[in-house]
Amino acid sequence: GAGVSQSPSNKVTEKGKDVELRCDPISGHTALYWYRQSLGQGLEFLIYFQGNSAPDKSGLPSDRFSAERTGGSVSTLTIQRTQQEDSAVYLCASSPGLVNTDTQYFGPGTRLTVL
Amino acid sequence: AQSVTQPDIHITVSEGASLELRCNYSYGATPYLFWYVQSPGQGLQLLLKYFSGDTLVQGIKGFEAEFKRSQSSFNLRKPSVHWSDAAEYFCAVGAGSNTGKLIFGQGTTLQVKP
Repeated sequence: GAGVSQSPSNKVTEKGKDVELRCDPISGHTALYWYRQSLGQGLEFLIYFQGNSAPDKSGLPSDRFSAERTGGSVSTLTIQRTQQEDSAVYLCASSPGLVNTDTQYFGPGTRLTVL
Repeated sequence: AQSVTQPDIHITVSEGASLELRCNYSYGATPYLFWYVQSPGQGLQLLLKYFSGDTLVQGIKGFEAEFKRSQSSFNLRKPSVHWSDAAEYFCAVGAGSNTGKLIFGQGTTLQVKP
């Protein structure tokens, strides 16, 4: 079956522009996660959606970052007024959401470069 | 706060040699522990996980890991490394009983010599 997909695979933008990154989770998965992978910072948790519960936004680095999940499926991560330090690979993962030990299935990521 | 330390940033082993990648965690209760692998250009793939029961966990691709509470460790092992095992390996701990989010270590890059 289809795995987690992300688009675009690469995004180059200028400092100060807004960007939107998209994640399509595995069908039927109720939990969706965003992580960021950057040099020097490793893999950092950003935000977590579980069903209809309020999302856990504790990992978002600033108020320039936001995410939504429409209809319990597709998610969009938005970064406003991008900065060079936002350059990273943004990874999305989904899991069945039944228990916290569920395997998270990761997408291939979106590589964001801010010039 | 929960944290994960992978002391080795880079490891080189010869093909056919044994492998051990170290992982130490900080967590107040019984942790949920995971090892993921990221091959070049690929997404992260789960190798194995521990959350209860037998402390020696078997995973895919011939990997295993042992949970040692006394040492706060969850080291990954493989008896004989193949060239295709060259990748980056991440240890992670679950951030708490009421969430599925993961706290990752910095990763260990494995190079395999022919």
